[in-house]
Amino acid sequence: GAVVSQHPSWVICKSGTSVKIECRSLDFQATTMFWYRQFPKQSLMLMATSNEGSKATYEQGVEKDKFLINHASLTLSTLTVTSAHPEDSSFYICSAKSWEYQPQHFGDGTRLSIL
Amino acid sequence: GQNIDQPTEMTATEGAIVQINCTYQTSGFNGLFWYQQHAGEAPTFLSYNVLDGLEEKGRFSSFLSRSKGYSYLLLKELQMKDSASYLCAVMDSNYQLIWGAGTKLIIKP
Repeated sequence: GAVVSQHPSWVICKSGTSVKIECRSLDFQATTMFWYRQFPKQSLMLMATSNEGSKATYEQGVEKDKFLINHASLTLSTLTVTSAHPEDSSFYICSAKSWEYQPQHFGDGTRLSIL
Repeated sequence: GQNIDQPTEMTATEGAIVQINCTYQTSGFNGLFWYQQHAGEAPTFLSYNVLDGLEEKGRFSSFLSRSKGYSYLLLKELQMKDSASYLCAVMDSNYQLIWGAGTKLIIKP
């Protein structure tokens, strides 16, 4: 149980394009979903927390206009990297949990490369 | 401020036992999690402790002492596939996860 699917696994695109990443909880309803970014050999960095039906809460230093998060249903959240540039290249990972005391379960991550 | 401390790197031998420590100072406490993360992959959930004591799950055990702000993850009968980073995370009073930087565990034959 507690499976989180993230798509796509890999994205390579040109600078200036927008990229959408999907995160789905397959066998549970996720009241809260999280988006992380991780640069090579560095720690997980929380970007934002989203609750179904409400606006995402962004961490300090994360541009909300650049990283658009939509948590439209209890099983789906999307992260759109708008006008991506090479410095946005990173490993993006989503996680989801069903309620407060439950662990976060992670998707497999999306490796984003901007040329 | 909120702080999670764990060693940056540890080395152990295949078949041996290793203990990875984690100390924390957070605003409130709603449990402590351990995750395993292999290089280039997403973290996977290992354990959750909210009460003091030892929780055993196969080769892995996790211990918590709330009064000391301390936890450890114990890995027995180490296998090469256990080479990974181990992340300690504490859920604070707002149910937010505060992450440690992770401990890179290197297993040698």
